[in-house]
Parts: sequence; structure tokens; C-alpha cells
Amino acid sequence: SQTIHQWPATLVQPVGSPLSLECTVEGTSNPNLYWYRQAAGRGLQLLFYSVGIGQISSEVPQNLSASRPQDRQFILSSKKLLLSDSGFYLCAWTPNFSYEQYFGPGTRLTVT
Amino acid sequence: DQQVKQNSPSLSVQEGRISILNCDYTNSMFDYFLWYKKYPAEGPTFLISISSIKDKNEDGRFTVFLNKSAKHLSLHIVPSQPGDSAVYFCAASEVDSNYQLIWGAGTKLIIKP
Repeated sequence: SQTIHQWPATLVQPVGSPLSLECTVEGTSNPNLYWYRQAAGRGLQLLFYSVGIGQISSEVPQNLSASRPQDRQFILSSKKLLLSDSGFYLCAWTPNFSYEQYFGPGTRLTVT
Repeated sequence: DQQVKQNSPSLSVQEGRISILNCDYTNSMFDYFLWYKKYPAEGPTFLISISSIKDKNEDGRFTVFLNKSAKHLSLHIVPSQPGDSAVYFCAASEVDSNYQLIWGAGTKLIIKP
């Protein structure tokens, strides 16, 4: 069966520090991968999605970036965090040609 | 402009009764709709979906209804149980959008004992 992992679970970082969040999927190949952010009391905002290694589409201009160095690995990064980057970050995957997205446990990021 | 709207931020229902969560959309190109359930500090989990060629889909206690003319869908939970207390998200996908989902803001469902 397929599983999705995210780490760390929680993170407290000062403004201006770098960020690296990692997501990996097991038990499938060539998944579509997604990064979302949920701000407090808000819905899910799609940040990036990827349909293959090295293929990244950005939905929202910001100081975040994403990379997919391996088929089942998706990384969210920032060189300098802003206070507004605080939120709950979720990674998700879908098989090809499927609507149902399956989410990881999320990372709670607090920028202080 | 929000294409998927969940106008009720919260809903309180007595245990054993029916819970009805509503979702409105504006984009007539949406052809697939999904409901997700989310507990605090966890990722959303898929509940049930419906294609635009149908008007109803049922899975156990969960039924989703789609009214395309009104651009409205609803999720019915019968009977409501304490474990159903969570935030429910409605999501939709547009034809030829590479299966991307547009999400509503969520409705917090509270089941009272």
C-alpha cells in the first residue's frame, strides 16, 4: 500500500532563516505531487505541483520554492522566511489520471 | 474570486441526527467534486466524490448530492456520530486542468452528544 511521509511535524524558525520541508511517497511510482499551505482558519492554498522529476509548477508567487530531485521526493524550501510564511504545510500525492489526493500528516511552521 | 464557497464556517448537530454540509461553486467547467474530512493537526482524508454526470453518490453514512443547475453540492451524514466532528472541505476540478483541485474554505462540524 502507498504511504506518504512528511517531516518535521513541527518547526519554529526565526524570520530570515532558511526552510526545508521534505515529503516522500512510498509504494507507487511517478505520482503527481503537491504542496499546500493552510493558514489559520483558512482553506487549502495550492503552492506547487509536480507531474514528474524536475517538473515544478508554481501557483502563487512568493519566497518559497519547490524541487523534485527524485520520483517520490518533493521538497519545499525558502532562503529567508517571512512572518507570513507561518502555517500548516501539507504534501499530497495522486496516481496519474486521478482526482483523489492523499495527504501527508503536515508540518506546523511557526515563524517568529 | 472564490470559485468554491462553503458559506457556513461552522455547523452544530445533535448526535444521531442528519448533518448537511453545503458547497457552492461558480465555474461551470468543474466536472468532478470531492469532499474531504480533516482533524486538527492532520492532513485531510478523502471521503466521497461525484462526477458531474451524476446527481447523487452514496457510501455508507455519507451521500453527496450535486445540483448542476444551481451549482450546488451537499454532503449528508446520517446518522451523525461524535467521530464526525471535524472540518469538512469541498473541492472541485475543472475539465483539462491536470486534475488540480480548487478548495473551499471548510466547514467545522461539531456533533453534540
